Amino acid sequence: SQQGEEDPQALSIQEGENATMNCSYKTSINNLQWYRQNSGRGLVHLILIRSNEREKHSGRLRVTLDTSKKSSSLLITASRAADTASYFCATDNQAGTALIFGKGTTLSVSS
Amino acid sequence: DGGITQSPKYLFRKEGQNVTLSCEQNLNHDAMYWYRQDPGQGLRLIYYSQIVNDFQKGDIAEGYSVSREKKESFPLTVTSAQKNPTAFYLCATTSRAGARGTEAFFGQGTRLTVV
Repeated sequence: SQQGEEDPQALSIQEGENATMNCSYKTSINNLQWYRQNSGRGLVHLILIRSNEREKHSGRLRVTLDTSKKSSSLLITASRAADTASYFCATDNQAGTALIFGKGTTLSVSS
Repeated sequence: DGGITQSPKYLFRKEGQNVTLSCEQNLNHDAMYWYRQDPGQGLRLIYYSQIVNDFQKGDIAEGYSVSREKKESFPLTVTSAQKNPTAFYLCATTSRAGARGTEAFFGQGTRLTVV
């Protein structure tokens, strides 16, 4: 069962531009996480936002959460070629025993 | 050097053969997970274990089996019953049982190909 659904599926931008990707989910959540995956590698945790938070920052990353719309967005400011990767949102399964991931957004940043 | 080690990095399986993917962690984490990743499908949960000697099926457990005899190890066997096993397999851990509010750490993956 796929809880989160990222949008867009793919995004191509130039270095220095901002990249925004969105995640929609179906059921109520306690928190939402974003991960990054470089091609052919494992995922790396970026940021976690709790259901009682509306916005969170970490370096060039800004995450927002709108529980009324069941959606979250990840903004990467001043993108670099090294940001080229796939980005996934993840939420708990209903039992709270495992993370369920969306299909991801593939970001390509060209110099 | 703490982390999660998956081996092998590449694995080739013949039709009708069982193969076992290794996942070892030295993070002292309680919970371990196996995910399968296909192009355009994201990650799908195969099995997970919250404590030693206990594990639960995920969304796509058919054709797979696991064991959790030691805290550090959570091997995944892809059996001949799995008809389409070609995929990228990822092992992950969380520090405590239950994923709620905890960061997951991932291994570097095993790419399995049927030949």
